[in-house]
Amino acid sequence: DGGITQSPKYLFRKEGQNVTLSCEQNLNHDAMYWYRQDPGQGLRLIYYSQIVNDFQKGDIAEGYSVSREKKESFPLTVTSAQKNPTAFYLCASSKTYSNQPQHFGDGTRLSIL
Amino acid sequence: GNSVTQMEGPVTLSEEAFLTINCTYTATGYPSLFWYVQYPGEGLQLLLKATKADDKGSNKGFEATYRKETTSFHLEKGSVQVSDSAVYFCALMARGGADGLTFGKGTHLIIQP
Repeated sequence: DGGITQSPKYLFRKEGQNVTLSCEQNLNHDAMYWYRQDPGQGLRLIYYSQIVNDFQKGDIAEGYSVSREKKESFPLTVTSAQKNPTAFYLCASSKTYSNQPQHFGDGTRLSIL
Repeated sequence: GNSVTQMEGPVTLSEEAFLTINCTYTATGYPSLFWYVQYPGEGLQLLLKATKADDKGSNKGFEATYRKETTSFHLEKGSVQVSDSAVYFCALMARGGADGLTFGKGTHLIIQP
């Protein structure tokens, strides 16, 4: 079955450490997205990518970085510059960025040690 | 900018009760509208969508009608079940969709037997 796989499900970060969250999709979707979910705040867009080797900042990109070297993969790095990284991170993809519903992975919960 | 406002939760109902979760939006042009559902510890699942005015999206007994005149997309279900307990998100995607989905803050629905 096609879908979006996020790993790991749980991740712990030490102070000053960068961590990378994996997102892989086998839906042959062009567009991919990263969202951050905090309690009571809904989801906020971190970065998105419409095609390989291209990506754009979302509403809360500071302290994060991404790459899109392959169509199937869109990893997110939470850098030490992100001072409040504890959250639930969701990856999504869609056929194109235009009005197509987004399909979501099961998320990665990041916590600070 | 775009925004989505949905009723604050938690919303607690008895099994077989009628459900309405209100959602209103602000957007330029004619966005596409979505309802997503999130079960505990999981990602988001698309529940239903509507892409133009007066469209009705429906799935699993849930319905929502795109009302341009009132900029609303209220979610309804005639008889809820305990298994419907989850968090429900209203979202919009602007025409062109270059900046991903804009989400409401979510409504936590609790159905008691």
